[in-house]
Amino acid sequence: GAGVSQSPSNKVTEKGKDVELRCDPISGHTALYWYRQSLGQGLEFLIYFQGNSAPDKSGLPSDRFSAERTGGSVSTLTIQRTQQEDSAVYLCASSLTGATREQYFGPGTRLTVT
Amino acid sequence: GENVEQHPSTLSVQEGDSAVIKCTYSDSASNYFPWYKQELGKRPQLIIDIRSNVGEKKDQRIAVTLNKTAKHFSLHITETQPEDSAVYFCAAARIQGAQKLVFGQGTRLTINP
Repeated sequence: GAGVSQSPSNKVTEKGKDVELRCDPISGHTALYWYRQSLGQGLEFLIYFQGNSAPDKSGLPSDRFSAERTGGSVSTLTIQRTQQEDSAVYLCASSLTGATREQYFGPGTRLTVT
Repeated sequence: GENVEQHPSTLSVQEGDSAVIKCTYSDSASNYFPWYKQELGKRPQLIIDIRSNVGEKKDQRIAVTLNKTAKHFSLHITETQPEDSAVYFCAAARIQGAQKLVFGQGTRLTINP
């Protein structure tokens, strides 16, 4: 079946603009994660959705970042008033219920803030 | 919350030699430890995982060992090949509950021909 998809694959935006990044998880996966990966760096956790539970937002770096997951499926990560330090690859991953289930990553969205 | 430390950050070995990457974790309740591999320009993929009821797990040339007392676990790659060159991430989580997976900082492994 189809894997995790993300759109757009690349996004160039001007500093101060808002951006929306989309993630389509694998059908039936109840857990969804967002990560940020700067060039050559590790996986920085942003937010975690698990079923109908309140999301774990502990990784969001500032109140300019928010995310929602509608109908337990598609998720959107929104960055308001983008800054140059927001430039990175944003990865989405989904898994079946539980942290011990394999996470399937999407191809990522490369965000460049000019 | 959980904190995972990974060492070294970079590792270079000769083709055919072994490579070892080590991780320590802080949450003594963590009992699930996967390893992900990210090749250049690609997405991370699970390569092996271990649960705390075993001390070692092998899959062909890769193995993972776990020391619960010391709260550390390691990835061992034997007879390294050029295709092993990648960034490797360890992670830890609790099996019970809706806890998130916490990743280490990653190790960039380079296999020299």
